[in-house]
Amino acid sequence: GDSVTQTEGPVTLSEGTSLTVNCSYETKQYPTLFWYVQYPGEGPQLLFKVPKANEKGSSRGFEATYNKEATSFHLQKASVQESDSAVYYCALSDLNYAQGLTFGLGTRVSVFP
Amino acid sequence: GPKVLQIPSHQIIDMGQMVTLNCDPVSNHLYFYWYKQILGQQMEFLVNFYNGKVMEKSKLFKDQFSVERPDGSYFTLKIQPTALEDSAVYFCASSPGPDYTFGSGTRLLVI
Repeated sequence: GDSVTQTEGPVTLSEGTSLTVNCSYETKQYPTLFWYVQYPGEGPQLLFKVPKANEKGSSRGFEATYNKEATSFHLQKASVQESDSAVYYCALSDLNYAQGLTFGLGTRVSVFP
Repeated sequence: GPKVLQIPSHQIIDMGQMVTLNCDPVSNHLYFYWYKQILGQQMEFLVNFYNGKVMEKSKLFKDQFSVERPDGSYFTLKIQPTALEDSAVYFCASSPGPDYTFGSGTRLLVI
């Protein structure tokens, strides 16, 4: 079945430094790849999605490129802020989206001033 | 933006009792989902519901689980009877297609 593996947290950073959260996936189909962010007490919120290989998604300074050859979708931000502290989930959805999303374990990111 | 509302936010229930988790999806969405997240573990797909029927379900969707959305009201997840291992956060999601909106979750504790 499908699977998603991402950087094991927690990740602790200082404001202004760069962030990378690795994500790799396994699937036999042609997935759409997602990054979700979850704040305490809330459900996951879509950060961005990329449906096509070799394309880049971005939002709020975060970006990730759908690398089909490497089966990776690493999340990056050049300069983090304290408000970026959250849990980040990489996920995939196959063409049959009735099967829902397959999530990674989530990576807790804490940014300190 | 549009929100998915989940009621209640927290529920404590005795093992063996029945519990119903309620979800008010985004109004024009057609697909509804339940996910289960045990503390410290990843979010896992339980079931997808479309046009009044279960379309897909995972191995986690035990016989004690059922879902329905009577007459366009709440989309519900019923667990009867509950077991200790059902303790988790249950997230509802809805979508018009491949775009998912999640609720804030119901934290269920079975004691």
